Amino acid sequence: DGGITQSPKYLFRKEGQNVTLSCEQNLNHDAMYWYRQDPGQGLRLIYYSQIVNDFQKGDIAEGYSVSREKKESFPLTVTSAQKNPTAFYLCASSIYWSGYEQFFGPGTRLTVL
Amino acid sequence: AQKVTQAQTEISVVEKEDVTLDCVYETRDTTYYLFWYKQPPSGELVFLIRRNSFDEQNEISGRYSWNFQKSTSSFNFTITASQVVDSAVYFCALIMNRDDKIIFGKGTRLHILP
Repeated sequence: DGGITQSPKYLFRKEGQNVTLSCEQNLNHDAMYWYRQDPGQGLRLIYYSQIVNDFQKGDIAEGYSVSREKKESFPLTVTSAQKNPTAFYLCASSIYWSGYEQFFGPGTRLTVL
Repeated sequence: AQKVTQAQTEISVVEKEDVTLDCVYETRDTTYYLFWYKQPPSGELVFLIRRNSFDEQNEISGRYSWNFQKSTSSFNFTITASQVVDSAVYFCALIMNRDDKIIFGKGTRLHILP
């Protein structure tokens, strides 16, 4: 089955620790995205990648970092510089970077204690 | 400015009623794309429809229908004969051709009461 997987579903970390969220897709999509969703809120774009080995900052990139070394993988690291990291994180992909629908993974709920 | 407005924060209807979710967008581009997504309690966003700015035909898919009107910059979503499984948060979204980043509305939380 083609799709996007995110792991883990729930993640707990102590304040001050970096944590990496996994996102893998087997849809052969060029573009990938990371969003953050806070309770009762819409989605905010953290980082996006139009193609492998390339990525750009979204609207709220501070305190986050990404890499795109493989087409199918786009991991997100939440660093200790992120002031309020507790949130629901959604990864998405689209076939190309230009007006196409995005398909989403199941999300990772990160709680920083 | 580019913007998507979903004025209805929360709606509750009784099962089998019809319900319309409103979406109003702002863009100066002539080429753009509109989307609707469903977010059930599990959290994953599910793609429902994509419409480009040159196609104003209404779309029907089972109990779902969409009304795109450029004259009022609206892309409304109607669920006919609602069911409890339709309970979710629904997001309307916009991509402008020159920018390509998707802009989401804040979502409408829909409760279908049995």
